[in-house]
Amino acid sequence: QSVLTQPPSASGTPGQKVTISCSGSSSNIGIHYVYWYQQLPGTAPKLLIYRSNQRPSGVPDRFSASKSGTSASLAISGLRSEDEADYYCAAWDDSLNGQVFGAGTNVIVL
Amino acid sequence: QVQLVESGGGVVQPETSLRLSCAASGFTFRDYKMHWVRQTPGKGLEWLALISHDGNNKDYADSVKGRFTISRDNSKNTVYLQMNSLRDEDSAVYYCELDTLGHWGQGTLVTVSS
Repeated sequence: QSVLTQPPSASGTPGQKVTISCSGSSSNIGIHYVYWYQQLPGTAPKLLIYRSNQRPSGVPDRFSASKSGTSASLAISGLRSEDEADYYCAAWDDSLNGQVFGAGTNVIVL
Repeated sequence: QVQLVESGGGVVQPETSLRLSCAASGFTFRDYKMHWVRQTPGKGLEWLALISHDGNNKDYADSVKGRFTISRDNSKNTVYLQMNSLRDEDSAVYYCELDTLGHWGQGTLVTVSS
């Protein structure tokens, strides 16, 4: 059972906006940066968001993220077929003294 | 551009050892903490270890404490994971991760099987 809670799946049609939630606690998301990763089938997780809302160079601005209290969210606007992937959130946890992850959300483009 | 390249994975028998390496480039390696993380189909993503920028401080997940050792060589821009007493459940893809900026490598597969 993962420390961070994500919905197992999310879906949308091309062009729509999809939002993925990531729920944590005061020992992780509440006080630390959140990171988001995209994992296409058979590949390594790719960094999408760092420091809760920053995009690395090369990541389209269709991807955005926010954090409020002990929850975070990733939004994908203008959904495309190539966005079909698993998405993971991560944060450091002071109580566990380690990095914690969500179980991942599978995004399906209908 | 940040690049992390893991190596050293393979197929090994239980109770043997393996050392993974992660070569870093594109950033000032000695300024950053580094992590090791692994991924399995069954358990998902699991954080394993963290090393400070200078190598003086290390933290481990309970699942690997006493068996795995993280280390680094700042002169070679490389972080290592020494894995001893390997078990079937250590089979996974192992990734190194750059702290704060969050980049990961492409991973190296470790299979522990008799």
